[in-house]
Amino acid sequence: AQSVTQLGSHVSVSEGALVLLRCNYSSSVPPYLFWYVQYPNQGLQLLLKYTSAATLVKGINGFEAEFKKSETSFHLTKPSAHMSDAAEYFCAVTSYSSASKIIFGSGTRLSIRP
Amino acid sequence: DSGVTQTPKHLITATGQRVTLRCSPRSGDLSVYWYQQSLDQGLQFLIQYYNGEERAKGNILERFSAQQFPDLHSELNLSSLELGDSALYFCASSGSGTASHSTDTQYFGPGTRLTVL
Repeated sequence: AQSVTQLGSHVSVSEGALVLLRCNYSSSVPPYLFWYVQYPNQGLQLLLKYTSAATLVKGINGFEAEFKKSETSFHLTKPSAHMSDAAEYFCAVTSYSSASKIIFGSGTRLSIRP
Repeated sequence: DSGVTQTPKHLITATGQRVTLRCSPRSGDLSVYWYQQSLDQGLQFLIQYYNGEERAKGNILERFSAQQFPDLHSELNLSSLELGDSALYFCASSGSGTASHSTDTQYFGPGTRLTVL
Protein backbone atom coordinates (compact mmCIF):
# COMPACT_ATOMS: atom_id res chain seq x y z
CA ALA A 1 0.00 0.00 0.00
CA GLN A 2 1.09 3.55 -0.63
CA SER A 3 0.61 6.64 1.47
CA VAL A 4 1.86 10.17 1.91
CA THR A 5 2.16 12.23 5.05
CA GLN A 6 2.32 15.99 4.93
CA LEU A 7 3.83 17.44 8.08
CA GLY A 8 2.05 20.59 9.13
CA SER A 9 -1.48 21.36 8.08
CA HIS A 10 -0.65 25.07 8.11
CA VAL A 11 2.63 26.83 7.36
CA SER A 12 3.10 30.59 7.58
CA VAL A 13 6.14 32.41 6.20
CA SER A 14 7.05 36.02 5.55
CA GLU A 15 7.15 37.37 2.03
CA GLY A 16 10.64 36.80 0.66
CA ALA A 17 11.40 33.96 3.07
CA LEU A 18 12.15 30.36 2.21
CA VAL A 19 9.14 28.09 1.72
CA LEU A 20 9.52 24.48 2.88
CA LEU A 21 6.57 22.11 2.75
CA ARG A 22 7.26 18.61 3.97
CA CYS A 23 6.09 15.35 2.44
CA ASN A 24 7.06 11.82 3.36
CA TYR A 25 5.87 8.83 1.40
CA SER A 26 5.49 5.13 1.95
CA SER A 27 5.68 2.77 -0.99
CA SER A 28 6.81 -0.80 -1.48
CA VAL A 29 7.53 -0.14 -5.15
CA PRO A 30 9.32 2.74 -6.87
CA PRO A 31 7.02 5.71 -6.46
CA TYR A 32 5.93 8.48 -8.71
CA LEU A 33 5.50 11.66 -6.66
CA PHE A 34 3.62 14.86 -7.35
CA TRP A 35 2.99 18.25 -5.81
CA TYR A 36 -0.26 20.02 -6.64
CA VAL A 37 -1.46 23.49 -5.66
CA GLN A 38 -5.06 24.49 -5.09
CA TYR A 39 -6.00 28.16 -5.04
CA PRO A 40 -9.26 29.16 -3.35
CA ASN A 41 -12.35 28.01 -5.26
CA GLN A 42 -10.28 26.37 -7.96
CA GLY A 43 -9.22 22.90 -8.98
CA LEU A 44 -5.77 21.45 -8.50
CA GLN A 45 -2.84 22.44 -10.66
CA LEU A 46 0.29 20.34 -11.07
CA LEU A 47 3.41 22.06 -9.73
CA LEU A 48 5.90 19.29 -10.46
CA LYS A 49 6.33 15.54 -10.62
CA TYR A 50 9.03 12.96 -10.01
CA THR A 51 8.98 9.91 -12.28
CA SER A 52 12.32 8.24 -11.55
CA ALA A 53 14.50 10.53 -13.63
CA ALA A 54 16.44 13.37 -11.97
CA THR A 55 15.99 13.48 -8.20
CA LEU A 56 15.81 17.28 -8.14
CA VAL A 57 12.68 18.31 -9.92
CA LYS A 58 11.94 21.87 -10.95
CA GLY A 59 8.37 22.98 -11.33
CA ILE A 60 6.36 26.03 -12.14
CA ASN A 61 6.34 29.32 -10.21
CA GLY A 62 9.88 28.79 -8.90
CA PHE A 63 9.10 25.67 -6.87
CA GLU A 64 11.30 22.61 -6.75
CA ALA A 65 11.36 19.33 -4.87
CA GLU A 66 14.03 16.74 -4.17
CA PHE A 67 13.37 13.03 -4.06
CA LYS A 68 15.37 11.43 -1.24
CA LYS A 69 14.92 7.70 -1.20
CA SER A 70 16.93 7.21 2.00
CA GLU A 71 14.61 9.59 3.84
CA THR A 72 11.45 8.63 1.89
CA SER A 73 10.86 12.34 1.44
CA PHE A 74 9.80 14.68 -1.32
CA HIS A 75 9.82 18.13 0.26
CA LEU A 76 8.73 21.18 -1.71
CA THR A 77 10.79 24.36 -1.56
CA LYS A 78 10.87 27.85 -2.96
CA PRO A 79 13.71 30.24 -2.14
CA SER A 80 11.61 33.38 -1.81
CA ALA A 81 7.90 33.39 -1.00
CA HIS A 82 5.52 35.66 -2.84
CA MET A 83 2.07 36.73 -1.73
CA SER A 84 0.58 34.89 -4.69
CA ASP A 85 1.92 31.59 -3.32
CA ALA A 86 -0.77 31.54 -0.63
CA ALA A 87 -2.76 28.38 -1.35
CA GLU A 88 -3.25 24.75 -0.34
CA TYR A 89 -0.53 22.33 -1.41
CA PHE A 90 -0.99 18.61 -1.84
CA CYS A 91 1.65 15.92 -2.12
CA ALA A 92 0.58 12.76 -3.94
CA VAL A 93 1.98 9.33 -4.77
CA THR A 94 1.28 6.65 -7.29
CA SER A 95 3.29 4.00 -9.09
CA TYR A 96 3.38 2.10 -12.33
CA SER A 97 1.90 -0.96 -10.67
CA SER A 98 -1.01 0.96 -9.18
CA ALA A 99 -2.22 2.06 -12.61
CA SER A 100 -3.72 5.49 -12.19
CA LYS A 101 -4.71 5.29 -8.55
CA ILE A 102 -3.20 8.31 -6.90
CA ILE A 103 -3.06 8.87 -3.16
CA PHE A 104 -3.13 12.44 -1.89
CA GLY A 105 -1.81 13.80 1.37
CA SER A 106 -4.05 15.80 3.65
CA GLY A 107 -2.72 19.10 2.35
CA THR A 108 -0.75 22.03 3.77
CA ARG A 109 -2.19 25.49 3.77
CA LEU A 110 0.53 28.07 3.05
CA SER A 111 0.02 31.60 4.31
CA ILE A 112 2.31 34.49 3.41
CA ARG A 113 2.83 37.36 5.85
CA PRO A 114 3.53 40.79 4.32
CA ASP B 1 -8.00 27.74 -17.30
CA SER B 2 -7.18 24.03 -17.49
CA GLY B 3 -9.49 23.34 -20.42
CA VAL B 4 -11.57 20.92 -18.34
CA THR B 5 -15.16 22.00 -17.80
CA GLN B 6 -17.58 20.79 -15.16
CA THR B 7 -21.27 21.45 -14.76
CA PRO B 8 -23.04 22.45 -12.70
CA LYS B 9 -20.84 24.59 -10.51
CA HIS B 10 -23.11 24.23 -7.50
CA LEU B 11 -25.77 21.67 -6.71
CA ILE B 12 -28.09 21.62 -3.71
CA THR B 13 -30.32 18.63 -3.19
CA ALA B 14 -32.00 16.56 -0.50
CA THR B 15 -31.12 13.24 1.06
CA GLY B 16 -32.25 10.24 -0.93
CA GLN B 17 -32.09 12.06 -4.24
CA ARG B 18 -29.99 11.30 -7.31
CA VAL B 19 -27.78 13.76 -9.19
CA THR B 20 -25.57 13.72 -12.25
CA LEU B 21 -22.33 15.65 -12.54
CA ARG B 22 -20.90 16.29 -15.96
CA CYS B 23 -17.32 16.70 -17.12
CA SER B 24 -15.84 17.62 -20.49
CA PRO B 25 -12.15 16.81 -20.77
CA ARG B 26 -9.51 18.86 -22.52
CA SER B 27 -9.61 18.52 -26.26
CA GLY B 28 -7.81 15.33 -27.24
CA ASP B 29 -7.56 13.86 -23.74
CA LEU B 30 -8.72 10.26 -23.51
CA SER B 31 -8.70 9.76 -19.75
CA VAL B 32 -11.14 11.20 -17.26
CA TYR B 33 -10.71 10.92 -13.50
CA TRP B 34 -13.19 11.72 -10.74
CA TYR B 35 -12.22 12.88 -7.26
CA GLN B 36 -14.11 13.75 -4.11
CA GLN B 37 -12.80 16.44 -1.76
CA SER B 38 -14.37 16.73 1.67
CA LEU B 39 -13.24 18.17 4.98
CA ASP B 40 -13.17 14.84 6.79
CA GLN B 41 -11.92 12.54 4.02
CA GLY B 42 -9.62 14.91 2.18
CA LEU B 43 -9.04 14.42 -1.53
CA GLN B 44 -9.90 10.92 -2.73
CA PHE B 45 -9.63 9.29 -6.12
CA LEU B 46 -12.93 7.75 -7.16
CA ILE B 47 -12.63 6.31 -10.63
CA GLN B 48 -10.90 6.64 -13.99
CA TYR B 49 -12.17 6.05 -17.51
CA TYR B 50 -9.94 5.75 -20.54
CA ASN B 51 -11.45 6.03 -23.99
CA GLY B 52 -14.83 4.87 -22.80
CA GLU B 53 -13.74 2.03 -20.55
CA GLU B 54 -13.25 1.87 -16.82
CA ARG B 55 -9.53 1.70 -16.08
CA ALA B 56 -9.02 2.20 -12.36
CA LYS B 57 -11.22 2.28 -9.33
CA GLY B 58 -10.60 3.98 -6.03
CA ASN B 59 -12.80 4.59 -3.02
CA ILE B 60 -16.03 4.83 -4.95
CA LEU B 61 -19.23 3.85 -3.16
CA GLU B 62 -21.65 1.41 -4.75
CA ARG B 63 -24.26 4.20 -4.79
CA PHE B 64 -21.98 6.09 -7.18
CA SER B 65 -21.36 5.23 -10.80
CA ALA B 66 -19.69 6.85 -13.76
CA GLN B 67 -19.45 6.48 -17.48
CA GLN B 68 -17.57 7.98 -20.38
CA PHE B 69 -19.37 8.56 -23.63
CA PRO B 70 -18.11 8.24 -27.23
CA ASP B 71 -17.45 11.98 -27.36
CA LEU B 72 -15.26 11.44 -24.26
CA HIS B 73 -17.31 13.51 -21.86
CA SER B 74 -18.03 11.80 -18.58
CA GLU B 75 -20.82 11.76 -16.05
CA LEU B 76 -20.71 10.85 -12.38
CA ASN B 77 -24.01 9.64 -11.01
CA LEU B 78 -24.64 9.84 -7.28
CA SER B 79 -27.75 8.16 -5.92
CA SER B 80 -29.50 7.70 -2.57
CA LEU B 81 -27.63 10.75 -1.41
CA GLU B 82 -26.64 11.13 2.21
CA LEU B 83 -25.53 14.16 4.18
CA GLY B 84 -21.98 12.82 4.12
CA ASP B 85 -21.88 12.99 0.34
CA SER B 86 -21.68 16.77 0.54
CA ALA B 87 -18.31 17.61 -1.00
CA LEU B 88 -16.46 19.12 -3.90
CA TYR B 89 -16.31 16.74 -6.84
CA PHE B 90 -13.47 17.27 -9.26
CA CYS B 91 -12.95 15.89 -12.69
CA ALA B 92 -9.51 15.73 -14.26
CA SER B 93 -8.33 14.65 -17.66
CA SER B 94 -5.13 13.44 -19.22
CA GLY B 95 -4.37 11.67 -22.37
CA SER B 96 -0.96 11.42 -23.82
CA GLY B 97 -1.67 7.76 -24.47
CA THR B 98 1.67 6.71 -23.03
CA ALA B 99 2.11 3.22 -21.68
CA SER B 100 2.18 4.35 -18.08
CA HIS B 101 -0.89 6.33 -17.29
CA SER B 102 0.41 6.84 -13.78
CA THR B 103 2.76 9.60 -14.85
CA ASP B 104 0.35 11.50 -17.06
CA THR B 105 -0.19 15.06 -15.94
CA GLN B 106 -3.79 15.42 -14.87
CA TYR B 107 -5.58 18.68 -15.59
CA PHE B 108 -8.31 19.49 -13.10
CA GLY B 109 -11.61 21.18 -13.66
CA PRO B 110 -13.01 23.82 -11.28
CA GLY B 111 -15.22 21.31 -9.49
CA THR B 112 -18.88 20.87 -8.63
CA ARG B 113 -19.86 21.69 -5.07
CA LEU B 114 -22.59 19.32 -3.92
CA THR B 115 -24.61 20.16 -0.85
CA VAL B 116 -27.00 17.52 0.47
CA LEU B 117 -29.58 18.86 2.91
